[in-house]
Amino acid sequence: EDKVVQSPLSLVVHEGDTVTLNCSYEVTNFRSLLWYKQEKKAPTFLFMLTSSGIEKKSGRLSSILDKKELFSILNITATQTGDSAIYLCAVSGGSNYKLTFGKGTLLTVNP
Amino acid sequence: ETGVTQTPRHLVMGMTNKKSLKCEQHLGHNAMYWYKQSAKKPLELMFVYNFKEQTENNSVPSRFSPECPNSSHLFLHLHTLQPEDSALYLCASSQGVGPPAMPEAFFGQGTRLTVV
Repeated sequence: EDKVVQSPLSLVVHEGDTVTLNCSYEVTNFRSLLWYKQEKKAPTFLFMLTSSGIEKKSGRLSSILDKKELFSILNITATQTGDSAIYLCAVSGGSNYKLTFGKGTLLTVNP
Repeated sequence: ETGVTQTPRHLVMGMTNKKSLKCEQHLGHNAMYWYKQSAKKPLELMFVYNFKEQTENNSVPSRFSPECPNSSHLFLHLHTLQPEDSALYLCASSQGVGPPAMPEAFFGQGTRLTVV
């Protein structure tokens, strides 16, 4: 059975801090790993990673994938209160290419 | 806005009611999905439609009945639900299922369902 494990499950930081969110996975026929941000209801797409060692970057957010060790990290530098959200990791793979999600990391950034 | 619209945003229904959730996507995608999000659980895939054909039913109870009249519209018909079915129901769409389609899914705002 495909599995995605995120850690930590929750995290509280102060504005300006740097955070690292972790995602490990077990999936057959791995295709890609995706990160989403869920603020209120709709998860919004952040990154898709398919190759090991290539960093994807968008502003203060960056992510990298290690296909040998089967994990990914999402870094957020100089955090702001608007970064407070649940960050979801999902992996596409299996026999039907469906997305398997982790439980998410609840990030709270205090002013 | 992500291009995926869900209605209603909130729904309270009794266990004997029948209601429907609606989803519409304006992204030209071929695949649509229903997910259930409960507290402290990962997003659970319920149904997948690819080119209007159901390709996955993830062991969902028959009190949930999906309908996909075309690639842009998806419904979830609800009847005789239980209180434990209370959750956020999210619709999503993607280019397609499997390569060469890109796998990223775009989500609607969800329907917060409460069964009383």
